[in-house]
Amino acid sequence: SSPLTQPPSVSVSPGQTARIPCSGDVLSRQYTSWYQQKPGQAPILVIYKDTERPSWIPERFSGSTSGTTVTLTISGVQAEDEADYYCQSVDSSASSHWMLGGGTTLTVL
Amino acid sequence: EEELVESGGGLVKPGGSLRLSCAASGFNFKNAWINWVRQAPGKGLEWVGRIRTNDDGGTIDYSAPVKDRFTISRDDSEEIVYLHMTQLKIEDTATYFCSTVQVWGRGTLVTVSP
Repeated sequence: SSPLTQPPSVSVSPGQTARIPCSGDVLSRQYTSWYQQKPGQAPILVIYKDTERPSWIPERFSGSTSGTTVTLTISGVQAEDEADYYCQSVDSSASSHWMLGGGTTLTVL
Repeated sequence: EEELVESGGGLVKPGGSLRLSCAASGFNFKNAWINWVRQAPGKGLEWVGRIRTNDDGGTIDYSAPVKDRFTISRDDSEEIVYLHMTQLKIEDTATYFCSTVQVWGRGTLVTVSP
């Protein structure tokens, strides 16, 4: 399957809405998860099954999907949201191998 | 609290071997698929491989760069997953994380250098 593609960077001012897209053929058939990673830390799950949010993640994080593109949306961005974000899905043609996007660095201006 | 803790990283020469451990606690380990993911310095996340539960056949899958060099195993009685790495290359230098998706360890650093 084709890889997952993310923009290298997204920048927004505090209080604005950040949207991070992830595209790939497999995304129309498989669920996507999103991870947040801050420098020197392990990734944290912020969205799973395209749109589901773990209970410990703030409501400002949401996920959506349209065809072969999924989008992580952070509403009312805060300084603490500055991090790298990765999308992840599975390659159903390859024994459900994980596929990972290249990551997007969110900068809060 | 659900937790994964990796250990066993260190400095190894090209061609050498190393075994990483991933110790679990706070959740039903026997029902968890465990993934290994690595991150080279300054780079993105890269999936290494995964072991399914014994109830799901215990199937193990590997990414192309590590297939035939790395081996994943699990000990449900000790709640540990292992990543045995052989024929290590400089490009295997990375922090190695284990993950269930919901839970991630802090990682252990493997440095392959002459």
